[in-house]
Amino acid sequence: AQRVTQPEKLLSVFKGAPVELKCNYSYSGSPELFWYVQYSRQRLQLLLRHISRESIKGFTADLNKGETSFHLKKPFAQEEDSAMYYCALYSSNTGKLIFGQGTTLQVKP
Amino acid sequence: GAGVSQSPRYKVAKRGQDVALRCDPISGHVSLFWYQQALGQGPEFLTYFQNEAQLDKSGLPSDRFFAERPEGSVSTLKIQRTQQEDSAVYLCASSSQGARETQYFGPGTRLLVL
Repeated sequence: AQRVTQPEKLLSVFKGAPVELKCNYSYSGSPELFWYVQYSRQRLQLLLRHISRESIKGFTADLNKGETSFHLKKPFAQEEDSAMYYCALYSSNTGKLIFGQGTTLQVKP
Repeated sequence: GAGVSQSPRYKVAKRGQDVALRCDPISGHVSLFWYQQALGQGPEFLTYFQNEAQLDKSGLPSDRFFAERPEGSVSTLKIQRTQQEDSAVYLCASSSQGARETQYFGPGTRLLVL
């Protein structure tokens, strides 16, 4: 089965602390993974994709095929990072994007 | 340029009513997707259009749900005889080509069925 799991519904950290938002996937083929973000009162938008191997707003994510994970990391959280984060898997079998349940990141001052 | 727009933003319907939700994608975007997002959940795929062709409707929960994109631009998602379990946010997204390209989301329509 193709599935994306985000085990934490809420992650609360203090400003300046490191952040790791967990994402695990289940997929039999070669996965393509994404992180989408929704800031308060804004629409869902792409944050980064693993094939780009880029850092956006200080966030990085490395695909670990052995652990079937695509965790999102940032060394020093900022208050403006507070948002809902969704991990998503592109299934080439079905041509669909499969989303996880999302993790709310709360960065406290 | 303008992003994806959706209307109405909020809709309250009595159980049994029909509703129509509209999506205006980014101009020139070939692909259009509809998702349903229940409270506390991630978006779930409903259906996908490439131009005017509905290539995948496997996510539509029942035959009460119907989507169209007759001219390959604006799309309408229609729900007939609404039920309480249809209450959700309905998201529309468009991309230049397919689901693996960046999807640009609309603000969503929040549907509440009483």
